[in-house]
Amino acid sequence: ELKVEQNPLFLSMQEGKNYTIYCNYSTTSDRLYWYRQDPGKSLESLFVLLSNGAVKQEGRLMASLDTKARLSTLHITAAVHDLSATYFCAVVYAGGTSYGKLTFGQGTILTVHP
Amino acid sequence: EPEVTQTPSHQVTQMGQEVILRCVPISNHLYFYWYRQILGQKVEFLVSFYNNEISEKSEIFDDQFSVERPDGSNFTLKIRSTKLEDSAMYFCASIFDMNTEAFFGQGTRLTVV
Repeated sequence: ELKVEQNPLFLSMQEGKNYTIYCNYSTTSDRLYWYRQDPGKSLESLFVLLSNGAVKQEGRLMASLDTKARLSTLHITAAVHDLSATYFCAVVYAGGTSYGKLTFGQGTILTVHP
Repeated sequence: EPEVTQTPSHQVTQMGQEVILRCVPISNHLYFYWYRQILGQKVEFLVSFYNNEISEKSEIFDDQFSVERPDGSNFTLKIRSTKLEDSAMYFCASIFDMNTEAFFGQGTRLTVV
């Protein structure tokens, strides 16, 4: 069974600081996603990582994937208040017949304060 | 930009009642999903649907749940006899193929009282 674990689960950051959220998964995967969720809202796709070594950047967020280590990171640079949200990684199992099913991590609640 | 739409946005129902949650996936997408998120918890897979049949379902998706794509555009989730623990946000998602990202609807918040 595919397990996905994020850490930290809670992250309180000062504006302007940098930090990294980690996403570990337990079995082979060929796709990893990062989503953002604001309270009471839907899931907004941030990044799709398809191959080992993939790195994508959008604004103050950068995501990377190491399939050998089964690890993805979401790096936040110079945090601003608008980044406060819950961030989920989600993984698609590469083997068998998953039909694109996403297995989510627990989520990281990010709060950016002055 | 195409989007997945869900109705209603919020539904309150009495325990034991049937509910139907509706979704209109993106029109050229081929794979459809239902996920749920209990308040404050992670998003959990319920069921996937492809080629007019269920392709995979989780342990949560028991005999009380069913899905249907009745008319080629709507994708519905039915809960026959709701329980208190069915209270959650239910998300519909769709993808075009296995190499593309999943697009999520805005969710239906189901409250069972």
